[in-house]
Amino acid sequence: AQSVTQPDIHITVSEGASLELRCNYSYGATPYLFWYVQSPGQGLQLLLKYFSGDTLVQGIKGFEAEFKRSQSSFNLRKPSVHWSDAAEYFCAVGARGGNEKLTFGTGTRLTIIP
Amino acid sequence: EAQVTQNPRYLITVTGKKLTVTCSQNMNHEYMSWYRQDPGLGLRQIYYSMNVEVTDKGDVPEGYKVSRKEKRNFPLILESPSPNQTSLYFCASSFLAGADTQYFGPGTRLTVL
Repeated sequence: AQSVTQPDIHITVSEGASLELRCNYSYGATPYLFWYVQSPGQGLQLLLKYFSGDTLVQGIKGFEAEFKRSQSSFNLRKPSVHWSDAAEYFCAVGARGGNEKLTFGTGTRLTIIP
Repeated sequence: EAQVTQNPRYLITVTGKKLTVTCSQNMNHEYMSWYRQDPGLGLRQIYYSMNVEVTDKGDVPEGYKVSRKEKRNFPLILESPSPNQTSLYFCASSFLAGADTQYFGPGTRLTVL
């Protein structure tokens, strides 16, 4: 069974600074990988996903993530955060069978300070 | 507009009073699931459904029931709610399960007194 670890419960970043949110997964093969964002009072929205090919994936709102097989990681990055990026971010892993469930991490809450 | 809808959005109830949270999607998705979100625990899957009349337990199914009589609807039923079921609930749908983008509903905030 797959699992996901997001080691940072809460991160505070200054507006305009760079951001990296960590995600480590456990799975026997190359999984499908996702990052979702949950703004306050909202449902979850897909930021980006990795299925295969280029290990650097571009998403919406200026986010990107890099799949590193050797480190079992899929860290999310943004070069310059905006106050509107304050939200909770979830990493998720899906198994390659296609009909296996999606497993979510526990989330990282991002606070932006002026 | 492609969307997943949930009703009600907010619900306060008392222990033991049966309730149903509805979920509907208009994207003809095969796969639907229910999650609960609790602080520090992230999203945990309650039940999922691969297609009409096909449902299965997720990670935390105790105290919940579901049905999938139509492709678009996937209601969550709490036959006898208890305070430990106070949580934020999300319905989601997709074409495939672990290999596809999940579309989430807006959430239902449930409080059981």
